[in-house]
Amino acid sequence: GQSLEQPSEVTAVEGAIVQINCTYQTSGFYGLSWYQQHDGGAPTFLSYNALDGLEETGRFSSFLSRSDSYGYLLLQELQMKDSASYFCAVRDLDSGYSTLTFGKGTMLLVSP
Amino acid sequence: DAGVIQSPRHEVTEMGQEVTLRCKPISGHDYLFWYRQTMMRGLELLIYFNNNVPIDDSGMPEDRFSAKMPNASFSTLKIQPSEPRDSAVYFCASSPGGQAGSYEQYFGPGTRLTVT
Repeated sequence: GQSLEQPSEVTAVEGAIVQINCTYQTSGFYGLSWYQQHDGGAPTFLSYNALDGLEETGRFSSFLSRSDSYGYLLLQELQMKDSASYFCAVRDLDSGYSTLTFGKGTMLLVSP
Repeated sequence: DAGVIQSPRHEVTEMGQEVTLRCKPISGHDYLFWYRQTMMRGLELLIYFNNNVPIDDSGMPEDRFSAKMPNASFSTLKIQPSEPRDSAVYFCASSPGGQAGSYEQYFGPGTRLTVT
């Protein structure tokens, strides 16, 4: 089966940089996605990594190391509106490549 | 496009009653997913469809749960009879086919179900 580990909570201040880590154990790993969910809202797609390295999209970047079964989401120039839960999700053989298995999420609290 | 549409947004029902949740995916999307989210178990995949055909329902917790997709623009998730432990937020998501369809899913606003 699959397992994904990410911290339950991270705190930071406005303007800072924060990194949310995700480690996974899975069969036939194919890629790692990141989603954001505000309280009471729906998850929204942020990024996807299938290959090693860093993918940058504005203030957000995502990194993957397949050999270490590890990835992270990097948020720069934090804003109050970034306070939300962040989920990593794997696409793998167990999920038939057509679905995602989500981690339990990391709650990010941004303070002034 | 209006995005994924779910109804109702909130549902409060008594134990033993039938509950039907509805979903309209984004037009042109080939995949439809039903998820359940709770604090204890996180976001769990219940079932997914490809081109209206159920592909994997291994996440459906019990026979009390059933899902249908009679056409490309409509799906239902039914719980009969409902139990208090079914209380959760139920999300419907859709995605296009091809590579992106595997990892970029578009979620509806969810249905918050409370069973008393």
